Amino acid sequence: QSALTQPRSVSGSPGQSVTISCTGTSSDVGGYNYVSWYQQHPGKAPKVMISDVTKRPSGVPDRFSASKSGNTASLTISGLQAEDEADYYCCSYAGNYIWVFGGGTKLTVL
Amino acid sequence: QVQLVESGGGVVQPGGSLRLSCAASGFTFNNYGIQWVRQAPGKGLEWVAFIHFDTNHQYYTDSVKGRFTMSRDDSKNTLFLQMNSLRGDDTAVYYCAKDGPEGDDFDYWGQGTLVTVSS
Repeated sequence: QSALTQPRSVSGSPGQSVTISCTGTSSDVGGYNYVSWYQQHPGKAPKVMISDVTKRPSGVPDRFSASKSGNTASLTISGLQAEDEADYYCCSYAGNYIWVFGGGTKLTVL
Repeated sequence: QVQLVESGGGVVQPGGSLRLSCAASGFTFNNYGIQWVRQAPGKGLEWVAFIHFDTNHQYYTDSVKGRFTMSRDDSKNTLFLQMNSLRGDDTAVYYCAKDGPEGDDFDYWGQGTLVTVSS
């Protein structure tokens, strides 16, 4: 149950795009199409932004998109806005009702 | 609307016990699995435990197996996390989170309750 690997931080200017990677193994990210992404603002509970690798829940802006290739999932935020500044976590199913999170990525909007 | 409210956090000495509660409303409680996720101060999210809505089987991350026990009272729409033999690295905000409709994400979260293990 090792944590998934994410970059500690990414940054971008308003209007730009950023991509956050999430690398696991064939036992989690690569083995299941159950990767989700969560946004967390300071002092707040996480909010699901993407589920099932690419699906956006109702209410999530279409600026948020995601994909997966092999053992690596990616979240892309286009048209960056100030309110996107937050921590982002990937999460993958790892079999037998067990889940594993990434270490988190701090997004700074310059 | 869906609401999850955790309670029961506090300060406890190493080796002590604490029971967290997660009161749910706004959805059919016994139709969904519930997860516990924790976040140590300044750190990332860590999946802790899951209880199945149908079988009540529980699943735990390795570091808490044998020390933590989940249970649920469907008559009160409440979930519990009994934490025994607490250690310093159990210090964290503990969130309960509801499974999504397909069981493939955590679509609603509580506000969290802080557990501090310290002498």
